Amino acid sequence: SAVISQKPSRDICQRGTSLTIQCQVDSQVTMMFWYRQQPGQSLTLIATANQGSEATYESGFVIDKFPISRPNLTFSTLTVSNMSPEDSSIYLCSVIMGASTTNEKLFFGSGTQLSVL
Amino acid sequence: GNSVTQMEGPVTLSEEAFLTINCTYTATGYPSLFWYVQYPGEGLQLLLKATKADDKGSNKGFEATYRKETTSFHLEKGSVQVSDSAVYFCALRGQAGTALIFGKGTTLSVSS
Repeated sequence: SAVISQKPSRDICQRGTSLTIQCQVDSQVTMMFWYRQQPGQSLTLIATANQGSEATYESGFVIDKFPISRPNLTFSTLTVSNMSPEDSSIYLCSVIMGASTTNEKLFFGSGTQLSVL
Repeated sequence: GNSVTQMEGPVTLSEEAFLTINCTYTATGYPSLFWYVQYPGEGLQLLLKATKADDKGSNKGFEATYRKETTSFHLEKGSVQVSDSAVYFCALRGQAGTALIFGKGTTLSVSS
């Protein structure tokens, strides 16, 4: 299994500022993803964090607002830039270990609860 | 693209009642299907999964069968408990190495 450390667990930020969220995994993983869960809503995929190259963003999410880094196979960061109250959400890191549909396993970090004032 | 549709909630039941939460999907190929549960104030937990047609996933008394002919993965439990009160998410993954796509979630509230 994988142990995921996501930091910070929560933060309260002022509008216009930026926050960087870290996701550290205790072993090398195949894929890393970032999700957002707005209050009372489901999880929405923000992007796939690609090791050594630019992240792949889903529709409605852009690199200028949510820059992502993944320098190696165990670590990724998501930055929420120029924040507004609408960015108040839980942000989750997710990883996949394994190479095929039958043996791969998915894990989620504990999430970062962000409140923007 | 791939998508998941869940029945709207909230679902309110009495203890020991039968539970069904409907989930249908749209996907190309043969996706893997999942149910996740989120208890109040906690993170997501995998409840059960099925990776091919006719597979039945089961855990903690919950069951779901992967029905390719109806593109469905309905969650059932024969007798719910108050402790089952949570939000339930149906999800799919189109192929190995891709991210989960989640439904909107269904809130279940069980009273004694």
